[in-house]
Amino acid sequence: ETGVTQTPRHLVMGMTNKKSLKCEQHLGHNAMYWYKQSAKKPLELMFVYNFKEQTENNSVPSRFSPECPNSSHLFLHLHTLQPEDSALYLCASSQENYQPQHFGDGTRLSIL
Amino acid sequence: DAKTTQPPSMDCAEGRAANLPCNHSTISGNEYVYWYRQIHSQGPQYIIHGLKNNETNEMASLIITEDRKSSTLILPHATLRDTAVYYCIGRSNSGGSNYKLTFGKGTLLTVNP
Repeated sequence: ETGVTQTPRHLVMGMTNKKSLKCEQHLGHNAMYWYKQSAKKPLELMFVYNFKEQTENNSVPSRFSPECPNSSHLFLHLHTLQPEDSALYLCASSQENYQPQHFGDGTRLSIL
Repeated sequence: DAKTTQPPSMDCAEGRAANLPCNHSTISGNEYVYWYRQIHSQGPQYIIHGLKNNETNEMASLIITEDRKSSTLILPHATLRDTAVYYCIGRSNSGGSNYKLTFGKGTLLTVNP
């Protein structure tokens, strides 16, 4: 139990579907992150939120839309994804953005 | 962030110490050495970090050379559940834009019975 919970754990969707990934942290942290991990590739940072404000968008396509309504919750809204977007999407949080990050177990996303 | 170099894979016998090396010859003075691991089908797990002094916690020990160009993560009594990919990352703790974790390919540690 890492204190960071991601749902769903697995998601299969078509390219025209709209879905959302959810992340919740129970650690009282102020910073939250979305990462993408594709097969055979290192983790890639996608977005960073610090005190609910987005502070980093790592050139992510607009078909991925993050939302951070409060410091404990982070969403990733998905729309018209491509097959190459199939990957493990990981959420993380940290007390401040320069302190150790704690990860959830990810959502395994498959695009048909 | 400092570029780090790790062996792609290592084996260790169960119950023995696992010593995982990392080279970070370009690390700057304000960059910490962080270690994470990722067990199959799970997210990365923070293990330990240090600047120049050796560090120990309930999971592992971190030995950093005096010139800070390399370090070793030590799991004192490896178990089968320690089989994972271990990542060594150089990272600034000074805030600003240099806080990002940049994951490389890591070392796959296989603990054998």
